Amino acid sequence: GDSVTQMEGPVTLSEEAFLTINCTYTATGYPSLFWYVQYPGEGLQLLLKATKADDKGSNKGFEATYRKETTSFHLEKGSVQVSDSAVYFCALIPSGNTGKLIFGQGTTLQVKP
Amino acid sequence: KAGVTQTPRYLIKTRGQQVTLSCSPISGHRSVSWYQQTPGQGLQFLFEYFSETQRNKGNFPGRFSGRQFSNSRSEMNVSTLELGDSALYLCASTRSGTSGPHNEQFFGPGTRLTVL
Repeated sequence: GDSVTQMEGPVTLSEEAFLTINCTYTATGYPSLFWYVQYPGEGLQLLLKATKADDKGSNKGFEATYRKETTSFHLEKGSVQVSDSAVYFCALIPSGNTGKLIFGQGTTLQVKP
Repeated sequence: KAGVTQTPRYLIKTRGQQVTLSCSPISGHRSVSWYQQTPGQGLQFLFEYFSETQRNKGNFPGRFSGRQFSNSRSEMNVSTLELGDSALYLCASTRSGTSGPHNEQFFGPGTRLTVL
């Protein structure tokens, strides 16, 4: 079945460091891909998305490119801030589906000043 | 535009009881999905409702059920609660009823259920 695999955390970085969180997926066809972020005690917020191959999603300095050939959707940010500390989830919606998000296990990011 | 709202935000129940959680989607959104979040299993899909009909279902026992009303508000019910049902229950709404670029989901803050 469809699945998402993320790099294990926690990831600890110093402020202004470069961030990469790896995400790969298994799915038939062309799923839509998403990154969600969860701050402590809150629900999920959509960070960015890509709906077709080679699309690049970007928001708040974060970006990820939909790579069909490597079935990947890695999250990157050039310079992290303390306020980026949160749990990041990679997710997909299978092709032809609408309401079922399949999530990776989440990666905790801690940014130290 | 108001976001997705969930009530109650916190709930404490004992084993064997039942519970009903409520979700009000963003105005104009017709699809509501429910998820369970636990430290061990992560985020798991429960079910999705669209136009008052269950359209997708995850791998949860029949104790977990839901419904959607004509105004798109949704409720989920868990009967005969077990300790393992303690979790954050999240609902999400989607604008469009079809797949494609409009299928991003917007999440509510969740209901934290504790079963004692």
